[in-house]
Amino acid sequence: GGIITQTPKFLIGQEGQKLTLKCQQNFNHDTMYWYRQDSGKGLRLIYYSITENDLQKGDLSEGYDASREKKSSFSLTVTSAQKNEMAVFLCASSIDRRSGNTLYFGEGSRLIVV
Amino acid sequence: GDSVTQTEGQVALSEEDFLTIHCNYSASGYPTLFWYVQYPGEGPQLLFRASRDKEKGSSRGFEATYDKGTTSFHLRKASVQESDSAVYYCALSDQPGANTGKLTFGHGTILRVHP
Repeated sequence: GGIITQTPKFLIGQEGQKLTLKCQQNFNHDTMYWYRQDSGKGLRLIYYSITENDLQKGDLSEGYDASREKKSSFSLTVTSAQKNEMAVFLCASSIDRRSGNTLYFGEGSRLIVV
Repeated sequence: GDSVTQTEGQVALSEEDFLTIHCNYSASGYPTLFWYVQYPGEGPQLLFRASRDKEKGSSRGFEATYDKGTTSFHLRKASVQESDSAVYYCALSDQPGANTGKLTFGHGTILRVHP
């Protein structure tokens, strides 16, 4: 088995601040994802990466940057935090990019903007 | 684009009640359909999936049948327990051959089961 570790669990920042969330997986999976979870809105894809150094925009990429410098890690940066962005951010991985694969999720990181 | 609709936002039941959570999808072609469950403080985890019309997925007493005719994948359980209290997400994959692996999720249904 493997695990996805997201850090930090809680990230508190000020409006306008640049904030970064980190994700590590030891499944040796090729593909990694960042989803945003808002109550009543489900999970929405921000960025994904099919391999090291690859980045693909999801439906909600505006205001975010991502980085996949090695296969095991995938970072997400909020470029200018806003109070309406307070949500839980979920990192996930799958063995490869074939349709129908299972996604494995981390426990999430909660962003709080003050 | 693809979409998933879960009719119920919240469901409150007593132990041993029958559960139905409705899921309808809109997609071209033949996506794989999933149910994920998220317990408090954890990330979503796969409950089960189905890839073909009339295929039934099941796990832990939950089940759903892929119905291409009605574009549905409704979640059912005959007798719920307090430990089933969680958020349930219906999801669909991208099209075979699209090669992104990404999923489109519904809004989620909060299930609360009272003893």
